[in-house]
Amino acid sequence: GQSLEQPSEVTAVEGAIVQINCTYQTSGFYGLSWYQQHDGGAPTFLSYNGLDGLEETGRFSSFLSRSDSYGYLLLQELQMKDSASYFCAINQAGTALIFGKGTTLSVSS
Amino acid sequence: DTGVSQNPRHKITKRGQNVTFRCDPISEHNRLYWYRQTLGQGPEFLTYFQNEAQLEKSRLLSDRFSAERPKGSFSTLEIQRTEQGDSAMYLCASSLSEGGTNEKLFFGSGTQLSVL
Repeated sequence: GQSLEQPSEVTAVEGAIVQINCTYQTSGFYGLSWYQQHDGGAPTFLSYNGLDGLEETGRFSSFLSRSDSYGYLLLQELQMKDSASYFCAINQAGTALIFGKGTTLSVSS
Repeated sequence: DTGVSQNPRHKITKRGQNVTFRCDPISEHNRLYWYRQTLGQGPEFLTYFQNEAQLEKSRLLSDRFSAERPKGSFSTLEIQRTEQGDSAMYLCASSLSEGGTNEKLFFGSGTQLSVL
């Protein structure tokens, strides 16, 4: 089977940097995706890592280490609007995206 | 691109009733997914279609659940004999799969089901 572990909650202040870790176990692994979901909203795609290393998209970066079955999402220059739930998800061979339970990020001023 | 549309937004039903939800994906997308989400949890996979073919159904999915995508466009999810444990947000997502591994899902706003 598959499993993903990520912290349930993270808190930070505006302007800070926060890292949300994700460890996974699966077979047929292709890559790791990250999605953001605001309260009452739909999940939206943030990033995908298919290869080891860092992918940067503006204030957000995502990292993958296949050998460690580990990835993280890095959010820089935090803003209040970044308060949301963040989900890591496994892209696998021949099956649908499997999501973790999510990390609730609270950004305060 | 009008996005993924789901109807209704909310559904309240009594235990034992049948309910049906509809999802209209982004028009050029060939894959359509159904997920279920409860408070404080991530989306839980239910089933997915590539065009009109249902390619996978979660082993956790009860026989009371059935989904169709008759012409490879919109999809319906039916729950028969609803139970209180079926109360959840039902999310639909679509994607354009071209055989690559970087599949990006676009989600609808969901249908919130409450079973009384």
